[in-house]
Amino acid sequence: QPVLTQPPSSSASPGESARLTCTLPSDINVGSYNIYWYQQKPGSPPRYLLYCCSDSDKGQGSGVPSRFSGSKDASANAGFLLISGLQSEDEADYYCMIWPSNASGWVFGGGTKLTVL
Amino acid sequence: QLQLQESGPGLVKPSETLSLTCSVSGGSISSSSSYWGWIRQPPGKGLEWIGSIYYSGSTYYNPSLKSRVTISVDTSKNQFSLKLSSVTAADTAVYYCARRNTVDHNRIDYWGQGALVTVSS
Repeated sequence: QPVLTQPPSSSASPGESARLTCTLPSDINVGSYNIYWYQQKPGSPPRYLLYCCSDSDKGQGSGVPSRFSGSKDASANAGFLLISGLQSEDEADYYCMIWPSNASGWVFGGGTKLTVL
Repeated sequence: QLQLQESGPGLVKPSETLSLTCSVSGGSISSSSSYWGWIRQPPGKGLEWIGSIYYSGSTYYNPSLKSRVTISVDTSKNQFSLKLSSVTAADTAVYYCARRNTVDHNRIDYWGQGALVTVSS
């Protein structure tokens, strides 16, 4: 089972916004880690979108539109990917990830399949 | 522009050893700001970290796979490799090699295209 919890699916209409959630287990404090977000389309490797957030630089990936943004909520112990102005091309699987340490490696969520209706 | 390319057999028999190589071009595998890793994705499922290596040879493995995994690096060939022993059908997956950039927020910024490995007799 993935350590990070993501809803398996989400849907929204073109032009609307979608907020994808990544919940960390209670023994991992979201405030201590950057949360990385990746987009994956069928037959392709994941594409880095952005990370959130330990400083003013949220690490937007090259070519990633500004309508993709990230945030964290300490009370929910979760990270969020917000996609505004949804477009059909945003339909994809989205994965969150943290990197606690070399020994812990790359820890992924189970992914959310976003459907743009 | 860095490029990573996986290579290796696409079909492996149960109980045998899966072997893949990741060839790095457009940059040096000996970069002090890079850690190299393997990630797999079973068909229709999510991503799972297998392990990582630094050019010095330091390795880090997913505890759930540690007893079966060996990752090595060949700096002269600008390659790193994965061996997974005693495979079963559950090891059928697309295997990606990737780079973690330690000077750019530790993000995974480059991925190979992936290699599908099927475990079947």
